[in-house]
Amino acid sequence: ETGVTQSPTHLIKTRGQQVTLRCSSQSGHNTVSWYQQALGQGPQFIFQYYREEENGRGNFPPRFSGLQFPNYSSELNVNALELDDSALYLCASSLGDGNSGNTIYFGEGSWLTVV
Amino acid sequence: AQKITQTQPGMFVQEKEAVTLDCTYDTSDPSYGLFWYKQPSSGEMIFLIYQGSYDQQNATEGRYSLNFQKARKSANLVISASQLGDSAMYFCAMRSVYNNDMRFGAGTRLTVKP
Repeated sequence: ETGVTQSPTHLIKTRGQQVTLRCSSQSGHNTVSWYQQALGQGPQFIFQYYREEENGRGNFPPRFSGLQFPNYSSELNVNALELDDSALYLCASSLGDGNSGNTIYFGEGSWLTVV
Repeated sequence: AQKITQTQPGMFVQEKEAVTLDCTYDTSDPSYGLFWYKQPSSGEMIFLIYQGSYDQQNATEGRYSLNFQKARKSANLVISASQLGDSAMYFCAMRSVYNNDMRFGAGTRLTVKP
């Protein structure tokens, strides 16, 4: 148990729709990052939020957006869904920039299927 | 640009034996961290071990140890006394202190045979 919870665990959406995925950080962690993991590949960094501000972004289009709330929980929003958006979406929480090893904890992910 | 390479798509090991999973990386940043994660079929990424680029000693966590060779830019994971429950995907990852982008390798699927 990492203390990072994600919802929903599985969902199916139609191409062109919008989706919101949610993440509850481990208690006390003020940084959250999101990753997309396509089948058979390693996770790809989408973006990171630190104290409600985005402070890092990977190579994803603007239709991938996020929010971090005062309680440090977070949302990932994806607009205009495409078939290639089908993947496991992982949330990770950490304290500060999390660059000290085992302070980066992942949730179990949300499996998104776009049809 | 940062890059992580895991050249072993799949590995097999006999129960109770040791196994080494390879990882090489490429970065121009002087300060970075290296991570190994285990991912069972459920999807959760389980943290195993961390090595800082300036750490003098190789990291160890129970049955996991990291063979860090900075000059060769390699960070191999050694699992001793393999157990059936070790069967999973294993990912090597790197994160620079200068940005917040954690890069992952393509992973190695480890299968432990009874």
